[in-house]
Amino acid sequence: DAGVIQSPRHEVTEMGQEVTLRCKPISGHNSLFWYRQTMMRGLELLIYFNNNVPIDDSGMPEDRFSAKMPNASFSTLKIQPSEPRDSAVYFCASIPNPPGELFFGEGSRLTVL
Amino acid sequence: QQQVKQSPQSLIVQKGGISIINCAYENTAFDYFPWYQQFPGKGPALLIAIRPDVSEKKEGRFTISFNKSAKQFSLHIMDSQPGDSATYFCAANFGNEKLTFGTGTRLTIIP
Repeated sequence: DAGVIQSPRHEVTEMGQEVTLRCKPISGHNSLFWYRQTMMRGLELLIYFNNNVPIDDSGMPEDRFSAKMPNASFSTLKIQPSEPRDSAVYFCASIPNPPGELFFGEGSRLTVL
Repeated sequence: QQQVKQSPQSLIVQKGGISIINCAYENTAFDYFPWYQQFPGKGPALLIAIRPDVSEKKEGRFTISFNKSAKQFSLHIMDSQPGDSATYFCAANFGNEKLTFGTGTRLTIIP
């Protein structure tokens, strides 16, 4: 089983550029989560989807952040325009049905210069 | 709003010793308490979990102790090994609600 697949693994960009992070959840998992991890704030939930529908986006920091899940096998997290304070590791995770074990991807490390 | 408080932030333990990480929660409705383990460059992975109907759960060298009245739970790693060096997160939720994570503990096991 492939697990949660994220791309890119590393992204370095300049302030003001658009960033798109991608996630493929585990097949059959109904819920998908986007987390951001920083040293200062730990793991923060940004948004989660259930059956491709956004359920809670209260963790999305600003309007510069947006997320979509057009189908059960793909989700994107977009930052436009990016800022240096967005530098973090972004994780995608999926779950068959809550509650239960969250399966995390390996993360996308974003550096905004 | 931090609903799960985790301590210590970092911990150094000698090989063979006991590592103890503590968490406290505020929401009495929480009914699921997992611990996740994260190695550098990897995503967190479920290590062990407990529900409040038991006070302790053991899996190998890893034990969760749960104190419902104090709203606290802890992870104990017996006979700590260098391979246990990682960041550990406690978490909690209830029903179908999203998990709330603690801030993490960086554990280092020294020879």
